[in-house]
Amino acid sequence: EAQVTQNPRYLITVTGKKLTVTCSQNMNHEYMSWYRQDPGLGLRQIYYSMNVEVTDKGDVPEGYKVSRKEKRNFPLILESPSPNQTSLYFCASSLGGLTNVLTFGAGSRLTVL
Amino acid sequence: GQQVMQIPQYQHVQEGEDFTTYCNSSTTLSNIQWYKQRPGGHPVFLIQLVKSGEVKKQKRLTFQFGEAKKNSSLHITATQTTDVGTYFCAGSLTGNQFYFGTGTSLTVIP
Repeated sequence: EAQVTQNPRYLITVTGKKLTVTCSQNMNHEYMSWYRQDPGLGLRQIYYSMNVEVTDKGDVPEGYKVSRKEKRNFPLILESPSPNQTSLYFCASSLGGLTNVLTFGAGSRLTVL
Repeated sequence: GQQVMQIPQYQHVQEGEDFTTYCNSSTTLSNIQWYKQRPGGHPVFLIQLVKSGEVKKQKRLTFQFGEAKKNSSLHITATQTTDVGTYFCAGSLTGNQFYFGTGTSLTVIP
């Protein structure tokens, strides 16, 4: 089944404890991206990647890192999480190009205490 | 920076009534997409509009892209309980960066 898989789905952590949210897609998609969803703010793009080893900042990259060492994986790294990073995170992928239809993962709900 | 505003934030309708959500961009877009997110779920792609003035229909859903490519709307005719969810527009300038609207949460009262 074609899908985007995120892990963990739920995580409660403490301020400053490094964490990684993994994202993997099995559709051979070129493009991958991360979003955070907060009430009243919609989805905001954190980082995106057009291909292996190519990443770019979205609207809200501060406090996050990403890497794209393989085509299928695009992990989101929080080096030193803070409470304002408590949010629902979505990974998405697409074929890329002008018709960039996003397929989203199920989401990862992160709470930073 | 780039902004996409979406209204209304919430809409409650009786089943069978119509529903419309509107998106406005501060700049001209190359395309706009619409997504639906069911409660507790993830966004699912509905449609993409590319051309100025474009209108597309999917059964009871009608999507429009403005002539200036700065606004868009989604209209649902005769809502059903299966239409419940949050509808997002997502504007793009380059196809790589997406600017999502804040979403309209639709509640359908049976």
